[in-house]
Amino acid sequence: EAQVTQNPRYLITVTGKKLTVTCSQNMNHEYMSWYRQDPGLGLRQIYYSMNVEVTDKGDVPEGYKVSRKEKRNFPLILESPSPNQTSLYFCASSPDSYEQYFGPGTRLTVT
Amino acid sequence: KQEVTQIPAALSVPEGENLVLNCSFTDSAIYNLQWFRQDPGKGLTSLLLIQSSQREQTSGRLNASLDKSSGRSTLYIAASQPGDSATYLCAVRPRYSSASKIIFGSGTRLSIRP
Repeated sequence: EAQVTQNPRYLITVTGKKLTVTCSQNMNHEYMSWYRQDPGLGLRQIYYSMNVEVTDKGDVPEGYKVSRKEKRNFPLILESPSPNQTSLYFCASSPDSYEQYFGPGTRLTVT
Repeated sequence: KQEVTQIPAALSVPEGENLVLNCSFTDSAIYNLQWFRQDPGKGLTSLLLIQSSQREQTSGRLNASLDKSSGRSTLYIAASQPGDSATYLCAVRPRYSSASKIIFGSGTRLSIRP
């Protein structure tokens, strides 16, 4: 089944403790992105990647890192999480100009 | 800078009615426009994708139209059902951007009353 998977789905952590949210797609898509969704602010793009080893900042990249060492994986790294990064995070992939496929989301709480 | 707006933010209609959701964007230079559905606390499900060269797309009871010149898209839902209750989001891909660069509206929360 064609899909985008994210892990973990739920995470509660403390300020400053490094964490990684994994994202994987099995559709051989070149393009992948990370978004965060917050009430009243909608979905905002954090980072995106156009292919292996090619990444760029989205609208809200501060406090996040990404890497794209393999085509199928695009992990999101929070080196030192803070409470303002509490949010619902989505990974997405797409084959160029076609539709975007979204993962199920990761709900992160930073205390 | 491209901005995407969805009005109203919330809509409640009785079951069986046909309804229209609106999406507007400020820059007509888009590559495509996509409509999504999101259930509470869940991910986004793609409903329809309209390329810039197209005027409309249909899937079952859903019909999406695109008028680039006026910066508007509508999602028409026929014979609404309680299961259609969800938040509907539209998103545009600006023409001069990466395929990963899409801009979302804030969504319309739809409630269908039995």
